[in-house]
Amino acid sequence: DTVLTQSPALAVSPGERVTISCRASESVSTGMHWYQQKPGQQPKLLIYGASNLESGVPARFSGSGSGTDFTLTIDPVEADDTATYFCQQSWNAWTFGGGTKLELK
Amino acid sequence: EVQLVESGGGLVQPGRSLKLSCAASGFTFSNYYMAWVRQAPKKGLEWVATISTSGSRTYYPDSVKGRFTISRDNAKSSLYLQMNSLKSEDTATYYCARQKSFNYGSYYFDYWGQGVMVTVSS
Repeated sequence: DTVLTQSPALAVSPGERVTISCRASESVSTGMHWYQQKPGQQPKLLIYGASNLESGVPARFSGSGSGTDFTLTIDPVEADDTATYFCQQSWNAWTFGGGTKLELK
Repeated sequence: EVQLVESGGGLVQPGRSLKLSCAASGFTFSNYYMAWVRQAPKKGLEWVATISTSGSRTYYPDSVKGRFTISRDNAKSSLYLQMNSLKSEDTATYYCARQKSFNYGSYYFDYWGQGVMVTVSS
């Protein structure tokens, strides 16, 4: 299985730039996608294909990377961005990272 | 508007069976791969099953292979998950999700239902 590793938590101040990383145990090419999940809600797609912004998602969100190292960037961070962010690969079946909980100071 | 509405969850004893359903609307159901993804309480997301547009191909992780069966009825725009030999570790919220391809053979989850809770306990 392709294992995705994310840092568990981050804390930033509103208006700052934050990068959330995801490392794959093997190359997934650009088959990496990012989701936002707020408490009590279903996940919401933000980025697909490593760097493509899903329709309706604010341009403050961006994605980059290929191979094994990927990044989700939020710039600038807003209070409403408090959530858990999951990466997911689709190169070898489908697996998710453990999630990064983003808190605002 | 794309809508996915799950049903069929509840409390079930270990070793018993349960069948989940997902009613889809707002898109041409037969054109999309569909999937089930679960989330144990306070835990991350785990892909559970995927089915092709016609239903001829199905995919499972080892954790549920041989116990869970995904199926679909394109005439009814409905997705199903038959869960047999349930274990306590199957306790989770189960989400129905639409899958979309951005490259041949590479699918992501673009719409999710609200989820349905399944609790496996004696």
